[in-house]
Amino acid sequence: GENVEQHPSTLSVQEGDSAVIKCTYSDSASNYFPWYKQELGKGPQLIIDIRSNVGEKKDQRIAVTLNKTAKHFSLHITETQPEDSAVYFCAASIGGAQKLVFGQGTRLTINP
Amino acid sequence: DTGVSQNPRHKITKRGQNVTFRCDPISEHNRLYWYRQTLGQGPEFLTYFQNEAQLEKSRLLSDRFSAERPKGSFSTLEIQRTEQGDSAMYLCASSLAGVARTPFGPGTRLTVT
Repeated sequence: GENVEQHPSTLSVQEGDSAVIKCTYSDSASNYFPWYKQELGKGPQLIIDIRSNVGEKKDQRIAVTLNKTAKHFSLHITETQPEDSAVYFCAASIGGAQKLVFGQGTRLTINP
Repeated sequence: DTGVSQNPRHKITKRGQNVTFRCDPISEHNRLYWYRQTLGQGPEFLTYFQNEAQLEKSRLLSDRFSAERPKGSFSTLEIQRTEQGDSAMYLCASSLAGVARTPFGPGTRLTVT
């Protein structure tokens, strides 16, 4: 079955700097790759997603890149702010069921 | 669009008791998913429905777990004879078949003492 590896597990950056989180997936049939942000005690919130027919997508300070050949995708956050501090999860979806397989999460801390 | 809602938000129960959680998906979404998240881990798929049909169940869903979506709208997840290992956040998500975007609800935090 599908397996998603995510790293780093923790990331600490200075406010205003950029943060990059990377994921790899195992099943080449995966076709949808969302990123979720989860704050303490809350459910995951979808922040950006990308389909397998697109290499890059950007939404304000957040961007996602996908390399299908290498089977990896990355989240880029620029001009980080304290409210970006949270746990971020990548996921991959395959097939008609659209069920998601998640990475292990990255705890991002923005230092003021 | 009021989003996915879940009730209760927190549940504390004693080992051996039964518990039931409810999920109300986004109204036009015909797919509904249940996931479980333990501390420090990503969510893990449990089961999903398309309309009222339960189409897939994970091996994580033991015989003590049952889920229903009787009218293709809200869903319930019941855990019988709870064990301490059932302590987790139970998440519900919904989507429209053919549209991959899947928003999640706020979750139900279960603590089994």
